[in-house]
Amino acid sequence: DIQMTQSPSTLSASVGDRVTITCRASQSISTWLAWYQQKPGKAPKLLIYKASSLASGVPSRFSGSGSGTEFTLTISSLQPDDFATYYCQQYNSYSLTFGQGTKVEIK
Amino acid sequence: EVQVLESGGGLVQPGGSLRLSCAASGFTFSRYAMSWVRQAPGKGLEWVSGISDSGGGTYYADSVKGRFTISRDKSKNTLYLQMNSLRAEDTAVYYCAKRSNSGYEFFDNWGQGTLVTVSS
Repeated sequence: DIQMTQSPSTLSASVGDRVTITCRASQSISTWLAWYQQKPGKAPKLLIYKASSLASGVPSRFSGSGSGTEFTLTISSLQPDDFATYYCQQYNSYSLTFGQGTKVEIK
Repeated sequence: EVQVLESGGGLVQPGGSLRLSCAASGFTFSRYAMSWVRQAPGKGLEWVSGISDSGGGTYYADSVKGRFTISRDKSKNTLYLQMNSLRAEDTAVYYCAKRSNSGYEFFDNWGQGTLVTVSS
């Protein structure tokens, strides 16, 4: 199975900060990568697919980049609604796998 | 509006069985692959199982292979997960997730989840 590793596990930031989360795959997955946001007690919400394509309705302050084994999710200017946990997911092959998550906390 | 709604969770003893259901509406169910994804308390997301749009292809995580069975009933627009030989480590919220419109295996709609607790 392809292993997905996110860093950092926790990130403390302030409103207005630029935030970057990294996701690394144990082998090349081309650009078959999605990012999700999850808030406590809620289902995940799709943010980014194919590494850099913004899902419908997602604010443009979210962006994704990368290919092969290294990927990033960037929030250009952190808003109060963005404090949540973020997960990457590879869909290059079964078994589908998620990163362990990055919690974005208020500094 | 696309909706998927899980049901069937509850408390079950180790070694027991449970069947989860996911009722789909607002889209042509038979055209989309579906998956189950779980989240243990305080932990991250784990993909459990997936099924093709026709039902002819099924896929499982190693952690549940041989114990769980995914299926679908297009006449009822419903996805199922039959869980046998349950273990304490299967305790989690189980989400039903619809594959994206793009045809690739990421998920653009999720249910609210149903909690399965395996405990004596």
